[in-house]
Amino acid sequence: SAVISQKPSRDICQRGTSLTIQCQVDSQVTMMFWYRQQPGQSLTLIATANQGSEATYESGFVIDKFPISRPNLTFSTLTVSNMSPEDSSIYLCSVGRTGEVYEQYFGPGTRLTVT
Amino acid sequence: GENVEQHPSTLSVQEGDSAVIKCTYSDSASNYFPWYKQELGKRPQLIIDIRSNVGEKKDQRIAVTLNKTAKHFSLHITETQPEDSAVYFCAASRYSSASKIIFGSGTRLSIRP
Repeated sequence: SAVISQKPSRDICQRGTSLTIQCQVDSQVTMMFWYRQQPGQSLTLIATANQGSEATYESGFVIDKFPISRPNLTFSTLTVSNMSPEDSSIYLCSVGRTGEVYEQYFGPGTRLTVT
Repeated sequence: GENVEQHPSTLSVQEGDSAVIKCTYSDSASNYFPWYKQELGKRPQLIIDIRSNVGEKKDQRIAVTLNKTAKHFSLHITETQPEDSAVYFCAASRYSSASKIIFGSGTRLSIRP
């Protein structure tokens, strides 16, 4: 499996500000995704990060609030914009490869607290 | 839309006993069913998966079964140990198109000593 890192691992931010989370993989991967996991809850897909084109957002998530970049096959960023306390959550990136074997692996997550 | 239901939400078993977690899915085109284990404060980890061309898969104390007709799949853990305590998530996807994975709501498994 790929080695996935995220920065920052945690942050405390004031409402109205923005935070950019980075996801780095040690090898080229086809698919990169961003999830949100609220305390005690399951994983909710925010969007699929597409290399060289706009991300594909899930229902309830919009580009203005969660802009995503994916400049190459090993790196992606998620920005949480104009934050409110409701954005307090763990944000995880995940990666997967298409082909004969399709498995998806998660990064360590970024714990965000908005005050 | 696609949906994955998971039961039970919490499960407590005596150490050494078996644990079973059940899931149902709504998208009949789903053909890939991974299971993730998430320990407290850690990332979800893929522990086993099954594809729709097989009905059962085993890996040591863990097994998954799939009933495509009923759109049910289950995780079985035998001879449970304290380190099995975690939250388990089932999921479903159409792996051939590298589609998104839809997760169940999770089962918090506690192993009683």
